[in-house]
Amino acid sequence: DIVMTQSPDSLAVSLGERATINCKSSQSVLYSSNNKNYLAWYQQKPGQPPKLLIYWASTRESGVPDRFSGSGSGTDFTLTISSLQAEDVAVYYCQQYYSTPLVTFGPGTKVDIK
Amino acid sequence: QVTLRESGPALVKPTQTLTLTCTFSGFSLSTSGMCVSWIRQPPGKALEWLALIDWDDDKYYSTSLKTRLTISKDTSKNQVVLTMTNMDPVDTATYYCARIWAPRGSGSYYFDYWGQGTLVTVSS
Repeated sequence: DIVMTQSPDSLAVSLGERATINCKSSQSVLYSSNNKNYLAWYQQKPGQPPKLLIYWASTRESGVPDRFSGSGSGTDFTLTISSLQAEDVAVYYCQQYYSTPLVTFGPGTKVDIK
Repeated sequence: QVTLRESGPALVKPTQTLTLTCTFSGFSLSTSGMCVSWIRQPPGKALEWLALIDWDDDKYYSTSLKTRLTISKDTSKNQVVLTMTNMDPVDTATYYCARIWAPRGSGSYYFDYWGQGTLVTVSS
């Protein structure tokens, strides 16, 4: 199985400041034939199910604010919240779908307000 | 409008078999590329993928749990059922069903719609 790790485990950022979350896969999730990274990001607020934010490592899901962006390739990926808002307090998970259908999630990163 | 809703017992005893039902609307599991998965989340912990069934009735299971899991669908009722045998307190978790739409060749196995989840506690 592809193992996903995330860093940091948690972070606290001031309102309006940038938050950066890292995700690393134990093997590349870049499919060379189509040059796509098989990686998604989810946001989970307390008491709610996860919500899809980004897929193909950098494509925002419809309706997701543009302050959320994804980047990276191969084994190293980043989710950036450019200007943290109060409603962004949540746990963020990365997920690889390279080894479909046996997908795996990262352990999560908790984002709080400083 | 796509919706999914999980249902099942809130409490099961150790060694019992858990049966969960995911009832969905807004899509058909007979449409090429459609899949429904089960994912669980122990309290305060991370997400764990469990099983997937696709439009063609192909079934896939977590490597670590596959001997205990069975997934099935009833397309006419828009339902997907997951059974997990030999339940243990470590299986206490919120169980989610979620949709994947992966048109043939797309490889897009990410979860675009989720149910609210159902908390299952395993205790005697």
